[in-house]
Amino acid sequence: AQSVTQLDSQVPVFEEAPVELRCNYSSSVSVYLFWYVQYPNQGLQLLLKYLSGSTLVKGINGFEAEFNKSQTSFHLRKPSVHISDTAEYFCAVSDPSGTYKYIFGTGTRLKVLA
Amino acid sequence: DSGVTQTPKHLITATGQRVTLRCSPRSGDLSVYWYQQSLDQGLQFLIQYYNGEERAKGNILERFSAQQFPDLHSELNLSSLELGDSALYFCASSTRPPVGTSVPEQFFGPGTRLTVL
Repeated sequence: AQSVTQLDSQVPVFEEAPVELRCNYSSSVSVYLFWYVQYPNQGLQLLLKYLSGSTLVKGINGFEAEFNKSQTSFHLRKPSVHISDTAEYFCAVSDPSGTYKYIFGTGTRLKVLA
Repeated sequence: DSGVTQTPKHLITATGQRVTLRCSPRSGDLSVYWYQQSLDQGLQFLIQYYNGEERAKGNILERFSAQQFPDLHSELNLSSLELGDSALYFCASSTRPPVGTSVPEQFFGPGTRLTVL
């Protein structure tokens, strides 16, 4: 069975500093990986996704993630964060068995400090 | 705006009651997924429907049921409510199953916040 681990429940970072949010997955088969962002009192918005091909994936709002098969990781990065990036970030793996339901990590709350 | 709508936005009810949450997928999307987000369980997949038929089940309690109607909207029915059912319930939709390596991205609605008192 697949699982997703987000190692940090909270990450405080100063504005304009770089940030990395960690995500590790467990799966015996090929997976599809996603990062979603949830702003306060809102739904989930897709930041980026990895399906195949280049291991460096660029998403919206300046975020990028790198798929590392050997380390089973899909860490999210941004070189310079803004106050508006304060939100909860969820890593998810899509079940490739045909239903494509998502298995989510527990989320990382990013707090950008002025 | 993802194009997925959910009603109501908030729902407050008492233990033992029954409620219905409604979801309208994006135009053209045939798959609907329901997720529950709670403080102790995180985001968990409940159930998926594809073009009116149940496709997959996750950690959905027997007190919960869902259906997808011919117009593709979906309803999640929660009965004999308990305090622990208080959560944010999300609906997501996606296109028909893919061919090859194309994976349908899921688009999430704004959620329904259920409070059981």
